[in-house]
Amino acid sequence: RKEVEQDPGPFNVPEGATVAFNCTYSNSASQSFFWYRQDCRKEPKLLMSVYSSGNEDGRFTAQLNRASQYISLLIRDSKLSDSATYLCVVNAGGYNKLIFGAGTRLAVHP
Amino acid sequence: DTGVSQNPRHKITKRGQNVTFRCDPISEHNRLYWYRQTLGQGPEFLTYFQNEAQLEKSRLLSDRFSAERPKGSFSTLEIQRTEQGDSAMYLCASSSTGDTGELFFGEGSRLTVL
Repeated sequence: RKEVEQDPGPFNVPEGATVAFNCTYSNSASQSFFWYRQDCRKEPKLLMSVYSSGNEDGRFTAQLNRASQYISLLIRDSKLSDSATYLCVVNAGGYNKLIFGAGTRLAVHP
Repeated sequence: DTGVSQNPRHKITKRGQNVTFRCDPISEHNRLYWYRQTLGQGPEFLTYFQNEAQLEKSRLLSDRFSAERPKGSFSTLEIQRTEQGDSAMYLCASSSTGDTGELFFGEGSRLTVL
């Protein structure tokens, strides 16, 4: 079983739609969680951290359920510029040893 | 540009040849990481340096792979006797001390083994 599992998609949505991505992780000792964004043929970049209480950054909302070992990302009012691959990430060590899921591809169309 | 720099950006080689990639991290970052990414997958952790010390090496890294960071600044990743299965994007990242979860990645070195 992979340490971090995601639905690969692709998710094809119209502009303005709300879309949700889910992720599960296998190591119950994991302490911190993140979403990264990777544009086509580019390097991954940190999108946001994920906290147990849930957190929001503009149109993006991240949630963590430690009991279920489940992480989610909600994007509201999708923009064309949101088209990318979204990587669910778990910090597996005390030095930013990040374990990445395979990513979920999002395509937003006009 | 003060970001993470990798070169070469692209390398095509024949099976059995040796290749070396270089990474120049953000200058004030003491942590450096190598990852490998294949099509449709997320980056896979290969190895980690704290300054010049290589503190962790993934089981994915066979004996043909070696990484160094001799002076705690730039790093090299060498692959000996390349195989077709080594074809991938090799990503270098750096970070400062702390567990912020933010790694700064370079644009990667794409390896194609024929």
